[in-house]
Amino acid sequence: AQRVTQPEKLLSVFKGAPVELKCNYSYSGSPELFWYVQYSRQRLQLLLRHISRESIKGFTADLNKGETSFHLKKPFAQEEDSAMYYCALSDEYSGAGSYQLTFGKGTKLSVIP
Amino acid sequence: KAGVTQTPRYLIKTRGQQVTLSCSPISGHRSVSWYQQTPGQGLQFLFEYFSETQRNKGNFPGRFSGRQFSNSRSEMNVSTLELGDSALYLCASSTGTVHGYTFGSGTRLTVV
Repeated sequence: AQRVTQPEKLLSVFKGAPVELKCNYSYSGSPELFWYVQYSRQRLQLLLRHISRESIKGFTADLNKGETSFHLKKPFAQEEDSAMYYCALSDEYSGAGSYQLTFGKGTKLSVIP
Repeated sequence: KAGVTQTPRYLIKTRGQQVTLSCSPISGHRSVSWYQQTPGQGLQFLFEYFSETQRNKGNFPGRFSGRQFSNSRSEMNVSTLELGDSALYLCASSTGTVHGYTFGSGTRLTVV
C-alpha cells in the first residue's frame, strides 16, 4: 500500500533562511506527487505538483525516485510562508479513472521574524 | 467563479444519531471526493463520486455513505455516530482527475 511520510511535525526557521520540508513516499508504481498548503483559517489548496515542474511562491520540489523523496524547498523563507504543508500521492483506483490522494501527516512551518 | 461550498460549517451531534453533510462543487466539475481529517489519522480518503456513481471508496465502515445528484452536488451521510467520528470533513471537486482538486472549507463535526 502507498504511504507518505513527513518526518517533521514542526519546522521553525528564521526569515530569510532556506527551507526544506521533507517528504518520503512508498509506492509500487509511477507516483504522482503534490504539495498542498493550508494557511491559518483558510482551506487546503494545491501548492505544486511534480509533473508541472513549476515554482510557486518561490517553492520548488524535485521528485527523486531513487530516494523515494519529494522534498519542498525555498531558498529564502518569508513570514507569509508560515502554514501547514501536506505532501500527497495520487493513486488510480483499479483503472476506473478514479484517483485518490494519500496524504502525509503534515509539517507546520513557522517562520520567525 | 464560486468555489467548493460545504454546509453546514459546524455540527454538534449526539452519539447514535445520524448526520448529513452537503457539498456543492465548482460549476462544471463532475467529480466530488470526500476526506476525513483528524489530529490522529490526518487526512483520509472516504469516497469519490463521478456523474452520480461512486467510483472509489476508502477504508471506512459502512456507516459512512454518500451520493451525488444530477447537478453534481454531493451529500455524505454518517449513521450511528460514534465519538471517533468527530473530525473535519473535507470535500474536493475536480473535472474528473486529481490534478484539478479544489477543496472546500470543510464541515467540522463534533460528536458528544
